[in-house]
Amino acid sequence: SQELEQSPQSLIVQEGKNLTINCTSSKTLYGLYWYKQKYGEGLIFLMMLQKGGEEKSHEKITAKLDEKKQQSSLHITASQPSHAGIYLCGAEKYSNSGYALNFGKGTSLLVTP
Amino acid sequence: ETGVTQSPTHLIKTRGQQVTLRCSSQSGHNTVSWYQQALGQGPQFIFQYYREEENGRGNFPPRFSGLQFPNYSSELNVNALELDDSALYLCASSLGSRQTSTDTQYFGPGTRLTVL
Repeated sequence: SQELEQSPQSLIVQEGKNLTINCTSSKTLYGLYWYKQKYGEGLIFLMMLQKGGEEKSHEKITAKLDEKKQQSSLHITASQPSHAGIYLCGAEKYSNSGYALNFGKGTSLLVTP
Repeated sequence: ETGVTQSPTHLIKTRGQQVTLRCSSQSGHNTVSWYQQALGQGPQFIFQYYREEENGRGNFPPRFSGLQFPNYSSELNVNALELDDSALYLCASSLGSRQTSTDTQYFGPGTRLTVL
């Protein structure tokens, strides 16, 4: 089965600093999703990447999918306290009986003043 | 446009009991997926319903069952609760199909289940 490994596991950055979170797959990624989760709450959709080399941005968050489609990175520029939360990458997982999202364990981000 | 809603927000049950969790899909969505998220872990896929039929199932025992109704709302039922069933249960709706192509899944706020 496809395993998604996220790094780092947790991150503490000072407000205004840039940061990068990585998501590495054991298999080719056909659809890679980034979600943000506030502690104990639901997931908020950020971006979806499908094509090798694809890059998308939303406000100060940029996500990329590498050419080989086995790694994605999420970059936050000039972090703010509102960026704090858990960032989860999820990959489409196909089977004969349908599809699902297979998630990594998440990266916990804390932004300090 | 109404987002995905779930009820109840929190629930406390004792081992051996049964529980029903509810989910209302985002307007226009015909597919509902349920996930279990244990503390410190990513969500784990339980099953998915497309137009009232199960359309995929993860590695969960049969005591986890579900329903999808004609209005595309959904229920997750868990029988014979175990302590390890304590988790955040998330539902997600999407405009999917029975094929492998997918649309973005939008998640509800979750139901926190505690089993004592």
